[in-house]
Amino acid sequence: SQQGEEDPQALSIQEGENATMNCSYKTSINNLQWYRQNSGRGLVHLILIRSNEREKHSGRLRVTLDTSKKSSSLLITASRAADTASYFCATGLFSGGYNKLIFGAGTRLAVHP
Amino acid sequence: NAGVTQTPKFQVLKTGQSMTLQCAQDMNHNSMYWYRQDPGMGLRLIYYSASEGTTDKGEVPNGYNVSRLNKREFSLRLESAAPSQTSVYFCASLEREGGSSTDTQYFGPGTRLTVL
Repeated sequence: SQQGEEDPQALSIQEGENATMNCSYKTSINNLQWYRQNSGRGLVHLILIRSNEREKHSGRLRVTLDTSKKSSSLLITASRAADTASYFCATGLFSGGYNKLIFGAGTRLAVHP
Repeated sequence: NAGVTQTPKFQVLKTGQSMTLQCAQDMNHNSMYWYRQDPGMGLRLIYYSASEGTTDKGEVPNGYNVSRLNKREFSLRLESAAPSQTSVYFCASLEREGGSSTDTQYFGPGTRLTVL
């Protein structure tokens, strides 16, 4: 089963609105990362939050991490049509002798002009 | 810097054919990875290479082999392609800030493989 699971699976909003995506995971982690994937492209790293951090900001992105609930959220403020993409959370952990990134199935975000 | 490059971008194979997917990075990263992405799923790790000269199995290695040719290049080979291997394949390399708590992967653009 997936370590990271995003919610919702799909989100449709108007330009200017905020978009919130959630991620839940099952095991202890070193960090949690969010990636964006535009249609037909590779993944682009957005932000990393360490297990001892609770909140992190980068531009219009705000990430929170609650290790007691094993959950994270990604907030995109004042969304733009260019934010339309799939967003994946990935949990970083050391397991089986190497550093792993385990990805969830993603949230598909559509921002309408 | 080109980052992570992959060739080819698209490929169609018949069942039983073989092919090699190429990946190269110019960021001097030690670790490299091969993932596959199927519709509605996240990425699943096929193989990884923690450093030049080492390779290890990931989550879904069956039907694949890899070669870490040098620090820059990491190839993925399908010896006898099957329809179940139809997927998008991504290569990634790892930047570490120091210590195991910070790991950012850089991804290539992907190879879309269809096996008929």
